[in-house]
Amino acid sequence: QKEVEQNSGPLSVPEGAIASLNCTYSDRGSQSFFWYRQYSGKSPELIMFIYSNGDKEDGRFTAQLNKASQYVSLLIRDSQPSDSATYLCAASGVVTGGGNKLTFGTGTQLKVEL
Amino acid sequence: SAVISQKPSRDICQRGTSLTIQCQVDSQVTMMFWYRQQPGQSLTLIATANQGSEATYESGFVIDKFPISRPNLTFSTLTVSNMSPEDSSIYLCSVVTGSSGYTFGSGTRLTVV
Repeated sequence: QKEVEQNSGPLSVPEGAIASLNCTYSDRGSQSFFWYRQYSGKSPELIMFIYSNGDKEDGRFTAQLNKASQYVSLLIRDSQPSDSATYLCAASGVVTGGGNKLTFGTGTQLKVEL
Repeated sequence: SAVISQKPSRDICQRGTSLTIQCQVDSQVTMMFWYRQQPGQSLTLIATANQGSEATYESGFVIDKFPISRPNLTFSTLTVSNMSPEDSSIYLCSVVTGSSGYTFGSGTRLTVV
């Protein structure tokens, strides 16, 4: 069973703090990793993707990947109430006939409190 | 990134009936993916749809229950057949865009009564 695991939360952080979201995956063949944000009643929207070990920064967001530990994380700096959402971690594998499919974790609910 | 138009956005259906969900992409894409998100759960891949070939279904999903059409490179439909209350979910289509991005349609919220 190829899985992506996340703590469901909720993770509560005060406004302005750093939120740290974590994800582990079981399939060592996974090639790329994605963080999606999903507001209630909405479809997921891509925040970042990462495929190389190390850190990748984009504005207030930093994705970290450690393939040896099969661990992916997302850091959100200067958290804002508008960041309150469910964050989905996804791993990309290969499907028959080429192309990639995403396997999603169950998501971590983030609450940024005033 | 690609823009996906998905419809209907929501529907309430009687058990035993079928609903067809449509996704239209504003650019040509090789593969389209259909996901299901049950209440309070994450996304589960139903099938991958290639143009010109049969869809590839994930474990636990079968063509008789979820027939898929992919008549061209910009359009796909998913039908939820012989519905039961357990089929109440959000259904999403997705495509790969750019080098690594995956874009989702706005979703179809299905309630079966």
